[in-house]
Amino acid sequence: AQKVTQAQTEISVVEKEDVTLDCVYETRDTTYYLFWYKQPPSGELVFLIRRNSFDEQNEISGRYSWNFQKSTSSFNFTITASQVVDSAVYFCALSSHSWGKFQFGAGTQVVVTP
Amino acid sequence: GAVVSQHPSWVICKSGTSVKIECRSLDFQATTMFWYRQFPKKSLMLMATSNEGSKATYEQGVEKDKFLINHASLTLSTLTVTSAHPEDSSFYICSARDPDRYEQYFGPGTRLTVT
Repeated sequence: AQKVTQAQTEISVVEKEDVTLDCVYETRDTTYYLFWYKQPPSGELVFLIRRNSFDEQNEISGRYSWNFQKSTSSFNFTITASQVVDSAVYFCALSSHSWGKFQFGAGTQVVVTP
Repeated sequence: GAVVSQHPSWVICKSGTSVKIECRSLDFQATTMFWYRQFPKKSLMLMATSNEGSKATYEQGVEKDKFLINHASLTLSTLTVTSAHPEDSSFYICSARDPDRYEQYFGPGTRLTVT
């Protein structure tokens, strides 16, 4: 069975601080995909990144960066210089395929105050 | 990019009535669609997998007769909540698989409130 753990329920930061969201996963698949989604108050899921199990390269996209470590089964997400618009719930998800059913983590609420 | 729509975006219904939620893939043919449910301040839980032309596959604990899923065409899947009760109030999100791009796209969600 697949499992995704996001131990941080809520993180509050002041604008311009960095924030790191933890994601630990469990799977018996040798090939799998990891995702991060942002869910603002509107509810719509906003796709942020997808990683497959064979690609352990870290990625940076603007103020966002991701650290994928298979050795620790973790796929952590960092927002650098946070902004109020970053306030949302962030979900880490796991799937056997890029187009398969998802196992979501519990989500982490990020609150950025001015 | 590919777009998946849901209709309605929100709905309020009275206890005991049924409500239908539509999920459409707008620019691709979706052989498979997934339905998720999200309670307030909770995670998304997979309810069922909907395959075009065949019966849906429900996750353990999801009542098939309560949540009727129909995937009659390659661009439309519907979720009908039958005899709705206040505990069915939730946010329902669908996703659609694009077999040509090996991608999956989420709809914007439907907020159901049962009074």
